[in-house]
Order: sequence, then structure tokens, then C-alpha cells
Amino acid sequence: EAQVTQNPRYLITVTGKKLTVTCSQNMNHEYMSWYRQDPGLGLRQIYYSMNVEVTDKGDVPEGYKVSRKEKRNFPLILESPSPNQTSLYFCASSLTTGGTEAFFGQGTRLTVV
Amino acid sequence: SQQGEEDPQALSIQEGENATMNCSYKTSINNLQWYRQNSGRGLVHLILIRSNEREKHSGRLRVTLDTSKKSSSLLITASRAADTASYFCATRNQGAQKLVFGQGTRLTINP
Repeated sequence: EAQVTQNPRYLITVTGKKLTVTCSQNMNHEYMSWYRQDPGLGLRQIYYSMNVEVTDKGDVPEGYKVSRKEKRNFPLILESPSPNQTSLYFCASSLTTGGTEAFFGQGTRLTVV
Repeated sequence: SQQGEEDPQALSIQEGENATMNCSYKTSINNLQWYRQNSGRGLVHLILIRSNEREKHSGRLRVTLDTSKKSSSLLITASRAADTASYFCATRNQGAQKLVFGQGTRLTINP
């Protein structure tokens, strides 16, 4: 089954404790991206990757890092989480950059206290 | 930056009625896509319409695109309770490397 898998689904952490949210897709897609969704602000892109070892900043990259060492994986790293990073996070992948449909993971609800 | 702006922000109708949602955008696009999101879950792709297309159908969904007005509409006919969700338009701008999402329309279908 074609899917994007994120883990964990829910996470509560403390300020400053490094964390990683994993994302994996099984469709051999080139393009992957991370979004955060906040009430009243919609979905905002954090980072994206056009292929292995190619990543770039989205609209709200501050406080986040990503890596793309393999085509299927695109982890999101919060080196020092802060409460303003409390949000619902989505990973998405598509065959190409925006020209085709995007497949979304089920989301990670992160709370930073 | 937000490109697509959906209208209305919320819509509540009776089961069996048709639901129409609108999306406006600001710059030239390659395509426009509509997605559905059930509460707190991932977005699901519904339909993609290219800039050279004016109308597209998929089951009970009908999407129109008017590039001169920079607007699109999503029509859901014969609505069902299971259609209750948030609906987002997303645009792929010319020369851009990403999809830009609007803030969505929250649709509630009352039984």
C-alpha cells in the first residue's frame, strides 16, 4: 500500500530536549516536505527536499533541521524545542515538485512544555 | 505565505444538499489542487486541475478554474455525513518548488 509513515503520532516533550520526527515513504517519490498546521494559520511549509542530499528552506524553517540521506526517509529534527513549536506536523511526498498529487502522513501532534 | 484563500471559512448544510467552496489565489499557477482533511488527520488529495483546464469531474466532485479571475470552486453534490471535513485548495505557482495551501473551509453535513 502506498503510504507516508510518520512517527511518533503524539509526543509531549520539555523545552530544550532534542527530538526527531521520522518520515518514510514507499512510493519512490523524489519530493518530500514538512508542514506545520496551526489554528488560523493553515499549513505552512517548514523544509522541503527535491531529492537525496538536496534540501531547502520553506516558509518557517527557524528552529528546525532536516536531512535526506536516503530517498525514502526525511526526518525532521528539533535541536532545542520551544513551546512555540507546539503544533501538528505533517510530512508529505510527491513524485515531482508540486506538479502531481501530494501524499500526506497521518500527522504528529507535538506539545513542548 | 498563503496563496489560496478559501471562502467560506465554514459551511453547514443538510445531507443531500450540494456544497460549494471557493478558492482565490494571487499569482500565475501551473495547477490547483483540492485536498480533504478529516479532523486532526492527514490531508487526502481529491482532484488536480491544470491551468489550461476549465472544469474537471471526479465522482460527486466538480472543480472549476477561472484563471482570468484567479479563482476555483469545488462543488460536492448530494452531500453525505462522511463528507464532513475541512477542504483546502493548494496552488503550485509557476517557477515555484512547492504547493501553497489556503486556510481551508470547514464543511459540516447535518443528518
